[in-house]
Amino acid sequence: DAKTTQPTSMDCAEGRAANLPCNHSTISGNEYVYWYRQIHSQGPQYIIHGLKNNETNEMASLIITEDRKSSTLILPHATLRDTAVYYCIVSNAGNNRKLIWGLGTSLAVNP
Amino acid sequence: EAEVAQSPRYKITEKSQAVAFWCDPISGHATLYWYRQILGQGPELLVQFQDESVVDDSQLPKDRFSAERLKGVDSTLKIQPAELGDSAMYLCASSSTWTEAFFGQGTRLTVV
Repeated sequence: DAKTTQPTSMDCAEGRAANLPCNHSTISGNEYVYWYRQIHSQGPQYIIHGLKNNETNEMASLIITEDRKSSTLILPHATLRDTAVYYCIVSNAGNNRKLIWGLGTSLAVNP
Repeated sequence: EAEVAQSPRYKITEKSQAVAFWCDPISGHATLYWYRQILGQGPELLVQFQDESVVDDSQLPKDRFSAERLKGVDSTLKIQPAELGDSAMYLCASSSTWTEAFFGQGTRLTVV
């Protein structure tokens, strides 16, 4: 079973920030938080991951709480092309990583 | 940009027939994954390879599914015989120690 819980769906206005929450209260000390997204009928796409520090790349920012029991993915200026299902996954790193997927959050970016 | 290649993109087969999917991972990626994704659900891991060795096939229905990666590069997933419940998207992904998992576009299987 997935070790994360996410809202089923969210809406966001185009150009605004989209904040996607994820709860992972049973995360272990060596597990990372990964975010992927899946646009309709395509394979999942890696977005970002982190261990305990906040992370930022060209796609998004990841904010992890100090106790590591929850995190938020931030898309700073959502566009229509960001409409997708977003998956939050906790897993160890390296060759033994095992990504166990839940149902994700379906994000709709509206004009 | 390097990509994971999968073929075919779509496949329609009759139940009880055999079907095979092919995956060519990103060059240099030692880890290869096969996932099954039923519509409306997240991907489910079927099998994970490290080079040519299987490291996890606990969720693979071994009575009808088989997977191989003979030279530690490309891989084939086979179903024989196909059942109606096998209709799904079959995704291949690859990764290395220092990169995240990159996914192909998947094969959409419809069993009729």
